[in-house]
Amino acid sequence: GDSVTQMEGPVTLSEEAFLTINCTYTATGYPSLFWYVQYPGEGLQLLLKATKADDKGSNKGFEATYRKETTSFHLEKGSVQVSDSAVYFCALTANTGNQFYFGTGTSLTVIP
Amino acid sequence: EADIYQTPRYLVIGTGKKITLECSQTMGHDKMYWYQQDPGMELHLIHYSYGVNSTEKGDLSSESTVSRIRTEHFPLTLESARPSHTSQYLCASALAGGLETQYFGPGTRLLVL
Repeated sequence: GDSVTQMEGPVTLSEEAFLTINCTYTATGYPSLFWYVQYPGEGLQLLLKATKADDKGSNKGFEATYRKETTSFHLEKGSVQVSDSAVYFCALTANTGNQFYFGTGTSLTVIP
Repeated sequence: EADIYQTPRYLVIGTGKKITLECSQTMGHDKMYWYQQDPGMELHLIHYSYGVNSTEKGDLSSESTVSRIRTEHFPLTLESARPSHTSQYLCASALAGGLETQYFGPGTRLLVL
């Protein structure tokens, strides 16, 4: 069945460090891939998405490229800020479109 | 910006009480979802709906029930709350069709004493 495997945390980085959070997926067909972010006490917010192979999603300095050959959608940011401290979820929806599959979440803490 | 609302945001209640968590969206989305989120962050799908009068149970067994009488409204009810129901509950919605983005409400944090 469809699933998402996400790098476990927690991750702690210094401000301005480079961030990578790994995400790989298993899906039948051609899924859409997503990264969501959850700040403390809030719901999930869409950070970026990609709907086909080789698409790059980007937002607020974060990027992720849909790699069909490696079934991956790793999240990257060149220089993190304290305000990026949050939990990040990788997710997919397959072309049946009925359910989303979420990774287990990666907690990121950025220290000044 | 997503327009999906959940009330209450926080609820503390005694064991045995009946509670209803409200979720409403103004985007005309056909699909709606309820997730339970662990303290350890993982999301578990407990109910979903593809449209009015359609409801399905999710992957996580739950003692809650849902209804979908109107497109914009998807309330979740616990007939008799227990401490094991203490959790964060997240509501989400999406357009019909495949490959659509889910939009989330702010969540309800429930504590059952």
